[in-house]
Amino acid sequence: AQKITQTQPGMFVQEKEAVTLDCTYDTSDQSYGLFWYKQPSSGEMIFLIYQGSYDEQNATEGRYSLNFQKARKSANLVISASQLGDSAMYFCAMREDLMDSSYKLIFGSGTRLLVRP
Amino acid sequence: DTGVSQDPRHKITKRGQNVTFRCDPISEHNRLYWYRQTLGQGPEFLTYFQNEAQLEKSRLLSDRFSAERPKGSFSTLEIQRTEQGDSAMYLCASSPDEYSGNTIYFGEGSWLTVV
Repeated sequence: AQKITQTQPGMFVQEKEAVTLDCTYDTSDQSYGLFWYKQPSSGEMIFLIYQGSYDEQNATEGRYSLNFQKARKSANLVISASQLGDSAMYFCAMREDLMDSSYKLIFGSGTRLLVRP
Repeated sequence: DTGVSQDPRHKITKRGQNVTFRCDPISEHNRLYWYRQTLGQGPEFLTYFQNEAQLEKSRLLSDRFSAERPKGSFSTLEIQRTEQGDSAMYLCASSPDEYSGNTIYFGEGSWLTVV
């Protein structure tokens, strides 16, 4: 079964600095996908970035990048130049395929990030 | 607003009462999902619809839970005889049919408190 582990319950970062949020995963599948979502206090899960297991390059989306280390089974999120609005919960998730071409997400327990001014 | 819409956003109910949540997915998204999120945890998958067909149900979805999507558009999640353990946020999400994107779009969730 798929499993996602996020070992940092909470993190602090100074505004304008970079921060890395850790994520390790466990799967026996050769093909898989990893996601990061941001959840502000409003509750909505906001998609940030996606990494496919066969993607040769690490994914990047603006200030977000994913440090994908396949051998270590880690998919850490790096946020550069932190902003006050980055304060939120961050969830790492893995795709688990359903019977059709859809999939469900298996989430970790999350990391609460607080950005200090 | 063309995102996933959920109603009500907050619900407080007494133990034993029934509650129903509604989800309106993004227009033309054929796929709809329900997740449950308890405090301090990540969301957990409950069920999945392809149009009006419920194709997947988690073991978390006990007999007291029922989800429907009668016309393949909006969906409802009903909890009968609520228990305190049902207190959680219920998230709805939708995605398009084609495998062109890797994104499931979530709503803002419906908070349930059972007292």
